[in-house]
Amino acid sequence: GAVVSQHPSWVICKSGTSVKIECRSLDFQATTMFWYRQFPKQSLMLMATSNEGSKATYEQGVEKDKFLINHASLTLSTLTVTSAHPEDSSFYICSVPGVVAFFGQGTRLTVV
Amino acid sequence: RKEVEQDPGPFNVPEGATVAFNCTYSNSASQSFFWYRQDCRKEPKLLMSVYSSGNEDGRFTAQLNRASQYISLLIRDSKLSDSATYLCVVNPSNTGKLIFGQGTTLQVKP
Repeated sequence: GAVVSQHPSWVICKSGTSVKIECRSLDFQATTMFWYRQFPKQSLMLMATSNEGSKATYEQGVEKDKFLINHASLTLSTLTVTSAHPEDSSFYICSVPGVVAFFGQGTRLTVV
Repeated sequence: RKEVEQDPGPFNVPEGATVAFNCTYSNSASQSFFWYRQDCRKEPKLLMSVYSSGNEDGRFTAQLNRASQYISLLIRDSKLSDSATYLCVVNPSNTGKLIFGQGTTLQVKP
């Protein structure tokens, strides 16, 4: 069964609106979760590290005010894409670290 | 230079063929290494971890050369179901923060 559940699996939204993506760790508590983004025919790129009870750590070039991360509990991290634009259209995926990484199912975001 | 580099392919091979993928990484202090498989529009799934001694899982063999900072994956007797993108993945510091290669696309044809 799934270790990490990500929701929604796909979403289409209008330009200028915000979209929230949830990542839940089902089997164990996770003080840290990672958010990645993947554009077509490109590799997964780490966007940020979500830390339970403290601020997220963003990778260089990722706007923290645009990609809001909240890790309010040991089993849930959310990524909110604020004021989405077509260039934000991508595949967003979370992971929970362990001996190996466990990935959510991913969210395909299309901004029209 | 990218931290993890792979030949993107695509590799088009007939069923039953043997195919090898290569990967290089730039951080010599990297701790652990993996091959993941990603199907179109899906999340990556772990194929196998990679060890210096080499490891085999059925038709799949992975090898790590730390001196050359080189990782390989060999697939024997290719099946149609092996068609996917294979991601070379490096964990530089055992924090769980993974660095992904671009991926190598394999298409196995009947």
